[in-house]
Amino acid sequence: GAVVSQHPSWVICKSGTSVKIECRSLDFQATTMFWYRQFPKQSLMLMATSNEGSKATYEQGVEKDKFLINHASLTLSTLTVTSAHPEDSSFYICSADSVGGKGEAFFGQGTRLTVV
Amino acid sequence: LAKTTQPISMDSYEGQEVNITCSHNNIATNDYITWYQQFPSQGPRFIIQGYKTKVTNEVASLFIPADRKSSTLSLPRVSLSDTAVYYCLVGAGAGSYQLTFGKGTKLSVIP
Repeated sequence: GAVVSQHPSWVICKSGTSVKIECRSLDFQATTMFWYRQFPKQSLMLMATSNEGSKATYEQGVEKDKFLINHASLTLSTLTVTSAHPEDSSFYICSADSVGGKGEAFFGQGTRLTVV
Repeated sequence: LAKTTQPISMDSYEGQEVNITCSHNNIATNDYITWYQQFPSQGPRFIIQGYKTKVTNEVASLFIPADRKSSTLSLPRVSLSDTAVYYCLVGAGAGSYQLTFGKGTKLSVIP
C-alpha cells in the first residue's frame, strides 16, 4: 500500500518557538493531505485540509495563523506550529489521498510534540 | 457526515473471535463504512471498507445488514498484538479522505 511518512516522530521545543512537521507521500502523489491532532486518550480531530498549490482549509476553531500549512508539491505538506505553548503539546498526524486507491486514507506515523 | 456509536471498550481472550458493532442510523445512500485500527502513538491503519452485505480480507470481515444502519467488524482469533483502538467511520463515497473520527473502541486482548 501507499506510504506516508512524517518527520520528526517526536520533538520537544521551548515555549514561544516554532516547530515544523513534514508529511511526505513516498510512492504516490497526493493532491490533498489532511492534518489531525490527537490529545491523550482522545480521538483524532481534523485540523485542516491541505491542497497542493492553494491555501489550506481550516476547521472551525483552528487558528490559521498559528498552524501554518504549506503544500508546495504533490508529495510534501508541512505544518508549522508557531509560537508554541504547552497547550499545543499533542500528537499530530497527517493523512493523504491516493488517486485510484481503494478508498482508504493513508496515515503518517504521527509526530509527538511536547512544548516545555 | 453520519455519526457513529461504538462501545467504548471491549476485552477478549487470545484466540477468540471479536465482533465490534458500530451504529450509524443516519447513514446516507452513498456512504461507505470504513474501519481503522490505531496503536498507541501511531497513525491509524486501514482495516476494511464496505458498502453492503459482507466484505472479507486477510485480516477481518465486515458485516453490513440490509438497512446499513449498523456494521460489525469481526476479527478472527485475536492475539495480543490486536490490542488497539478501532474506529468505525462513515463517509460520502469510497475515497472520502476527510474523515471524522468518533471515540472508537479500545480492544484489550488478554492472554
